[in-house]
Amino acid sequence: QQPVQSPQAVILREGEDAVINCSSSKALYSVHWYRQKHGEAPVFLMILLKGGEQKGHEKISASFNEKKQQSSLYLTASQLSYSGTYFCGTPVLTTLGRLYFGRGTQLTVWP
Amino acid sequence: EAQVTQNPRYLITVTGKKLTVTCSQNMNHEYMSWYRQDPGLGLRQIYYSMNVEVTDKGDVPEGYKVSRKEKRNFPLILESPSPNQTSLYFCASSRPQAGGLIATDTQYFGPGTRLTVL
Repeated sequence: QQPVQSPQAVILREGEDAVINCSSSKALYSVHWYRQKHGEAPVFLMILLKGGEQKGHEKISASFNEKKQQSSLYLTASQLSYSGTYFCGTPVLTTLGRLYFGRGTQLTVWP
Repeated sequence: EAQVTQNPRYLITVTGKKLTVTCSQNMNHEYMSWYRQDPGLGLRQIYYSMNVEVTDKGDVPEGYKVSRKEKRNFPLILESPSPNQTSLYFCASSRPQAGGLIATDTQYFGPGTRLTVL
């Protein structure tokens, strides 16, 4: 039930854009996105609740297509501070409080 | 300040020596979870708790125990640690998502405990 993230790793120059995808074989109610800096705890970015809804955090936005059971995270004009590992998380519809995380996408932004 | 605390932050121990990693949250959250993080595998849930005295296994529960006697605390117990339990451990808490109980809202993570079992 673990969602699948792609790509596994992305290397960018400052100012470039990136897209990280998250897909599930199960029906999705919502999708969470988190970012983890090296050696630190994951930090919440956003939750998407409705099909097609987009949300934003700084220059990071995301979309959620519940019909396709997938979400995409868009990083626009990447900054050095965007480097880290990005995880999507999908709640388990039948179990209170459970969240399945993908394996993560490692994003490296170079100056 | 709203936070999740874990102790210890770093621990080196030997095979078979029982240990407990504490986790405490001050946000009155119903849900609490333990995850382990290993390179390339992401965050895998060990145990989770929906509320006081209500716990259930996650995806990798073997070798671990938990208890939830108080809402704020959720300790992780390794009765007989083995080297394959060397990992980075995170505790997290959350509340039900607005509008229903079937999903979880933002997960707040503790700072992590890096455990090495020799």
